[in-house]
Amino acid sequence: GAGVSQSPSNKVTEKGKDVELRCDPISGHTALYWYRQSLGQGLEFLIYFQGNSAPDKSGLPSDRFSAERTGGSVSTLTIQRTQQEDSAVYLCASSLTGSMNTEAFFGQGTRLTVV
Amino acid sequence: QQPVQSPQAVILREGEDAVINCSSSKALYSVHWYRQKHGEAPVFLMILLKGGEQKGHEKISASFNEKKQQSSLYLTASQLSYSGTYFCGTDRGSNYKLTFGKGTLLTVNP
Repeated sequence: GAGVSQSPSNKVTEKGKDVELRCDPISGHTALYWYRQSLGQGLEFLIYFQGNSAPDKSGLPSDRFSAERTGGSVSTLTIQRTQQEDSAVYLCASSLTGSMNTEAFFGQGTRLTVV
Repeated sequence: QQPVQSPQAVILREGEDAVINCSSSKALYSVHWYRQKHGEAPVFLMILLKGGEQKGHEKISASFNEKKQQSSLYLTASQLSYSGTYFCGTDRGSNYKLTFGKGTLLTVNP
């Protein structure tokens, strides 16, 4: 597609369930980012991929969060045993090289609600 | 460490000017500005690099004071389409990790 695609756009889940959020970056973009956006809190960095490897996972809030990227393309963010504080919009972005000289393109996000 | 944006919110009439500030307590290598309209994805506006290079849209200007670790975004002759939340993202040389501020909500009224 022309832009970054995320699915699902909305997800309501029960506390304690696992969820998977998917991100399809722009074709050819080597860098992929996950951010979490809570009301009034800006964009919280979660993890960064260069190709299939994640040099920095320090932004993941807890060990219930994990992410992978396959084939240098699609990425999945998994949240296990979801808690109510996990409710937020999860944004994915990609950029051509991952250098600070290049712009990032964001997807529309997945709105996660844990009830 | 999260950069601090000010003001938190601003309301303008069409044609008025606004300045949004972004400051950090740590040395910066670059500052990135994004705008997000309600329910939409953030959209890139500008990158300001250490050394003075800028990349972005011609109609929007910004400054980057490296010594003060501050950046300002200048919106002149505002249009209704300028409404949205503006985020600054700062990089401390990690080459990939942008830390964003909490945003500035800009509302432009007719």
